[in-house]
Amino acid sequence: GDSVTQMEGPVTLSEEAFLTINCTYTATGYPSLFWYVQYPGEGLQLLLKATKADDKGSNKGFEATYRKETTSFHLEKGSVQVSDSAVYFCALSDRTRMDSSYKLIFGSGTRLLVRP
Amino acid sequence: DAGVTQSPTHLIKTRGQQVTLRCSPKSGHDTVSWYQQALGQGPQFIFQYYEEEERQRGNFPDRFSGHQFPNYSSELNVNALLLGDSALYLCASSLGTTGNTEAFFGQGTRLTVV
Repeated sequence: GDSVTQMEGPVTLSEEAFLTINCTYTATGYPSLFWYVQYPGEGLQLLLKATKADDKGSNKGFEATYRKETTSFHLEKGSVQVSDSAVYFCALSDRTRMDSSYKLIFGSGTRLLVRP
Repeated sequence: DAGVTQSPTHLIKTRGQQVTLRCSPKSGHDTVSWYQQALGQGPQFIFQYYEEEERQRGNFPDRFSGHQFPNYSSELNVNALLLGDSALYLCASSLGTTGNTEAFFGQGTRLTVV
């Protein structure tokens, strides 16, 4: 079945460092790809998305490019801030049958800790 | 706009009991999905409701059931609670059932089974 694999955390960085969180996926169809962020005690917030190959999603300085050839959707940010400390989830949305609805399949999450 | 609201925020139940969790979708949304997030894990899809019907179900036993009301709000019921049901239960709402519309999540209900 469809699945998402993320690099294990925690990832600890100093403020203004470059961030990469790796995400690869397995899907039988043509999924949409997402990055969600979860701050302590809160639900999930959509950070960015890409709906087809070679699309680049971006938001708040974060970017990710949908790479079909490598089945990857790595999250990057050029300069992280303390406020970026959170858990980041990579997810895909795919439909197994034409008469079914879409569901989100999540990776296990990567905790990011940014130190001042 | 209140966004997705879930109630209660926390609750503690005893093994074998039954529990009902509630979700009100974001204004204008008609589809509700439920997810279970165990500690340190990613959310796992339980089921999705659209037009008051269960449209898709994840790999969860029949002890997990749900309902959607005409106003699009939804309930998640879990019978015969097990210790392993302890988790954060997230509700997500969206417009329609296509995968390209953004799903908005509530803050979740933290269920502890003792």
